[in-house]
Parts: sequence; structure tokens; C-alpha cells
Amino acid sequence: KQEVTQIPAALSVPEGENLVLNCSFTDSAIYNLQWFRQDPGKGLTSLLLIQSSQREQTSGRLNASLDKSSGRSTLYIAASQPGDSATYLCAVSPWNQGGKLIFGQGTELSVKP
Amino acid sequence: GAGVSQSPRYKVAKRGQDVALRCDPISGHVSLFWYQQALGQGPEFLTYFQNEAQLDKSGLPSDRFFAERPEGSVSTLKIQRTQQEDSAVYLCASSFDMENGYTFGSGTRLTVV
Repeated sequence: KQEVTQIPAALSVPEGENLVLNCSFTDSAIYNLQWFRQDPGKGLTSLLLIQSSQREQTSGRLNASLDKSSGRSTLYIAASQPGDSATYLCAVSPWNQGGKLIFGQGTELSVKP
Repeated sequence: GAGVSQSPRYKVAKRGQDVALRCDPISGHVSLFWYQQALGQGPEFLTYFQNEAQLDKSGLPSDRFFAERPEGSVSTLKIQRTQQEDSAVYLCASSFDMENGYTFGSGTRLTVV
């Protein structure tokens, strides 16, 4: 059974710091991996989608990597800003399961001005 | 519409009451997913439709939960005889194909009292 774990559960950093969020998964038979952002009381916003054949994706200050063989992904946020404060969720789509997502529990990020 | 629309945004139900949650996916999106998110947790898969066909309902927690998408567009998640443990945010997501990822709605927060 696929399990997704995110470390740390919560993180507080001063504005301007670079930071890394970690995600691990137990079964490497995945179709893709996505990172989402969730603001309090809101739905999920997709940040980056990495197909299983890819190693990384970049969008602005965000960079996500995927090492499928070791079951790990990282989300790198450069020059963090208070507006980056949110919960970040990692999710994998298991192979041959129709596209459903298995989520980690999230990392709650707080960026202090 | 431009996004996935869910209604109502908030629902308070007395224990034992039946509720119906609605999801309007993005026009043309073939796949539709329902997730349940408990407080402080990542979303958990409930069920998945491809057009009007319900292809996976393995995540529905009990036979009190029922979902339908009769015309391959709008979907309804129905919970019969609600219990306190049903209190959660119910998220709907739609997708055109897996290569392009998913768009989530803002969710319905259900509170059972």
C-alpha cells in the first residue's frame, strides 16, 4: 500500500531564507508526483507536476525534484516571502489506479517578516 | 466556468441527517475525484468517475456514502445518517488528463453536531 510522508510537519523561517520541504513515498510505481499549496479554509492550488520520467520541474522561485528509485521528492523555495506561508502537500498518483492521488499530511510553513 | 465549483461552502448537519454535496467540474474535464480532508490531515481519496462511470469507490468509508455523476458533468456526494466522524472538508477535483494534473474546488466544510 502506497504511503506518503512529509517532513517536517511544521517549519518557521525568517523572510529571505531558502528552504527545502521533503516528501517520501513507499512504492516507486507512480505515474506522477504533484506539490500543492493550501491556504487556510481554501482548496488546493497545484504548484508543480513531475511526471515519473522527469527529474525536476521549476516555476519561478520553486523547484521540485523527483528521485523515483529512492522514493523521494523535495520542494525548494528560494528567497522565501511571508506570502509563501501556507500548508504544502505532496501527492503521488499510483500507476494503474486511474489517477487518484495519495497525499502526505503536509508541511505547515510560516515565513516571518 | 473557469474553475471547479463546490456547494454549499459550509454545511452544519444534525447527527442522523442526510446531506448532499455538489461539485461542478471544469467543462470538458473527463475525470472527477472526491476527497475527504480531516482537520490537520492530508486529503484522502473517496471515489473517482470517468465521465458518468464510477470506476473506483474503494475509499468510501461506509455504505452511508454514495456518489453519482449521471450525465458525466455535475457530481453529487451524498452522506446518509451523518455521524460526528463525518465532519471534514470534502474536496472535489477534475482533470482532462493526467499529463495536465488536477484542479481542485474550494471544498465543502461539513460539521455534524
